[in-house]
Amino acid sequence: DVKVTQSSRYLVKRTGEKVFLECVQDMDHENMFWYRQDPGLGLRLIYFSYDVKMKEKGDIPEGYSVSREKKERFSLILESASTNQTSMYLCASSLGRATGELFFGEGSRLTVL
Amino acid sequence: KNQVEQSPQSLIILEGKNCTLQCNYTVSPFSNLRWYKQDTGRGPVSLTIMTFSENTKSNGRYTATLDADTKQSSLHITASQLSDSASYICVVSLNAGNMLTFGGGTRLMVKP
Repeated sequence: DVKVTQSSRYLVKRTGEKVFLECVQDMDHENMFWYRQDPGLGLRLIYFSYDVKMKEKGDIPEGYSVSREKKERFSLILESASTNQTSMYLCASSLGRATGELFFGEGSRLTVL
Repeated sequence: KNQVEQSPQSLIILEGKNCTLQCNYTVSPFSNLRWYKQDTGRGPVSLTIMTFSENTKSNGRYTATLDADTKQSSLHITASQLSDSASYICVVSLNAGNMLTFGGGTRLMVKP
């Protein structure tokens, strides 16, 4: 089975702190994604990556950056956390470029105080 | 604009009853449509995929339908169980690039 592991299930940070969210997948998938999920807004794409060292902006990249130094690992970085970044963050991976099934991690619930 | 609308937003049913969730989309060009189930506090998991030529597909007690002409899909749950309580998310893929459009989800609660 594909496993996508997110490093932290729950985090509490203060405004202005730098936050790292780590995601690792074990199925050699090329594509990796970061979404945030908020009530009433559904899942929104922050960044995605098709290959190592490649990244592309999604729908809401402002305030975020990503890093993909190894194929299996995709990190989301909040350079200076703000309260409006309080959310559930979901990492996903897929094999195919266009329409493959997304395999999600368990999510990281971030609270910024 | 590519959009995916799901209805109802939330639904409460009694255990053992059937229910149908709706997904309407304006995504074009259409590639496929997936239904995901998301348990509370967990990541979504794919239930089924519908391609352009498929009308009906079953996965246990879950049956998905697709009408590509009217751009509508439904997910029918038969003989509901408490474990069916979850959010169900409809995701439509564009036939180009890596574009996915997510619906807002339907939150289903099954009560004993």
